Amino acid sequence: QKEVEQNSGPLSVPEGAIASLNCTYSDRGSQSFFWYRQYSGKSPELIMSIYSNGDKEDGRFTAQLNKASQYVSLLIRDSQPSDSATYLCAVNNRGNQFYFGTGTSLTVIP
Amino acid sequence: DTAVSQTPKYLVTQMGNDKSIKCEQNLGHDTMYWYKQDSKKFLKIMFSYNNKELIINETVPNRFSPKSPDKAHLNLHINSLELGDSAVYFCASSQDWESLQETQYFGPGTRLLVL
Repeated sequence: QKEVEQNSGPLSVPEGAIASLNCTYSDRGSQSFFWYRQYSGKSPELIMSIYSNGDKEDGRFTAQLNKASQYVSLLIRDSQPSDSATYLCAVNNRGNQFYFGTGTSLTVIP
Repeated sequence: DTAVSQTPKYLVTQMGNDKSIKCEQNLGHDTMYWYKQDSKKFLKIMFSYNNKELIINETVPNRFSPKSPDKAHLNLHINSLELGDSAVYFCASSQDWESLQETQYFGPGTRLLVL
């Protein structure tokens, strides 16, 4: 079983819609959760981090964490073509144990 | 100013050769990492150094040897390159490996192609 699992997609949404990206993790002791965005040919860049159960909002982005279900999600409101990228879920278990999912490819259609 | 830089950006070489990739960060971070991203976009940690000391060494062939001359630099040397080593290698850094909330900052990546 992989440490972090994501649906690889591709996920296509029309411009202005809400994009919903999901991630599950296997280690119940995981403490920190991150969403990175990676454009084609570029390096990952952090867009959201979340450490406690519930929702965390930053502009058009909302991260949701449910530790009981071992589930973390990212919602992108008012999706824009510039949001088209691969979104990587990452989990930090014990300090330095960073695990990434395989990423979900998102395409926002104008 | 580039926070995490890597050289070279592209590396094309023959099987069996030895090559090095260099990484430098000017963020004042204590911890640096090497990741390998394969063609399916899976990003897997290879090594982690904290203040020049190795703290993570995942299951990586002995042909890969990291070196950290100081906490701002983490280089990766690869001996006897194989076709399966073709991938994008990312260097990253974070302030403190012991904090679970530390963000990692990635370099631009080195695209290695072994022929």
